[in-house]
Amino acid sequence: DAGITQSPRHKVTETGTPVTLRCHQTENHRYMYWYRQDPGHGLRLIHYSYGVKDTDKGEVSDGYSVSRSKTEDFLLTLESATSSQTSVYFCATGTSGAYEQYFGPGTRLTVT
Amino acid sequence: QKEVEQNSGPLSVPEGAIASLNCTYSDRGSQSFFWYRQYSGKSPELIMSIYSNGDKEDGRFTAQLNKASQYVSLLIRDSQPSDSATYLCAVNTGNQFYFGTGTSLTVIP
Repeated sequence: DAGITQSPRHKVTETGTPVTLRCHQTENHRYMYWYRQDPGHGLRLIHYSYGVKDTDKGEVSDGYSVSRSKTEDFLLTLESATSSQTSVYFCATGTSGAYEQYFGPGTRLTVT
Repeated sequence: QKEVEQNSGPLSVPEGAIASLNCTYSDRGSQSFFWYRQYSGKSPELIMSIYSNGDKEDGRFTAQLNKASQYVSLLIRDSQPSDSATYLCAVNTGNQFYFGTGTSLTVIP
């Protein structure tokens, strides 16, 4: 357990609305990640950060943006939510880009 | 496209038996390898990491890595009903992690 919290834990929103998910960590880990988990696809990386204001895209980044203004916070924004973005979103942190990751509790997002 | 393949299962073993979980990966440049356990409705929990060829043991768990064959496995000895979960294989390449879809394990009392 790396002291990772996510908010909100559950959210229902309508198609076309913007949504921001927050990940907060207390471990001072340099790396932070956003994943989505869908049946049949497993965990897929959306975006990651390797330091404050340093971010990069993952394999499923379209429709998502991120920001990291402080070491402890990593925000994921859906600019205009679509039904295909209904998923469980997990944040993870790590001390380096190659070593262990630790996951937060997840956010279940439903887009109607 | 980086690929990590796992048998989806379900895999059923009797209590006390050895459970064997397998994973193959496509990118020869992959550097580090992980096994996570995920209970239904919960987040993935790291149980093993392995970085070099060979075996790594931690309690009832043994991870095996063969980079030449691009193969990672996890053995669970003396399986317990509490081991019933989905096991995710993860592979690191560069700064990115790629996950398999998981193998569902059921340990039958």
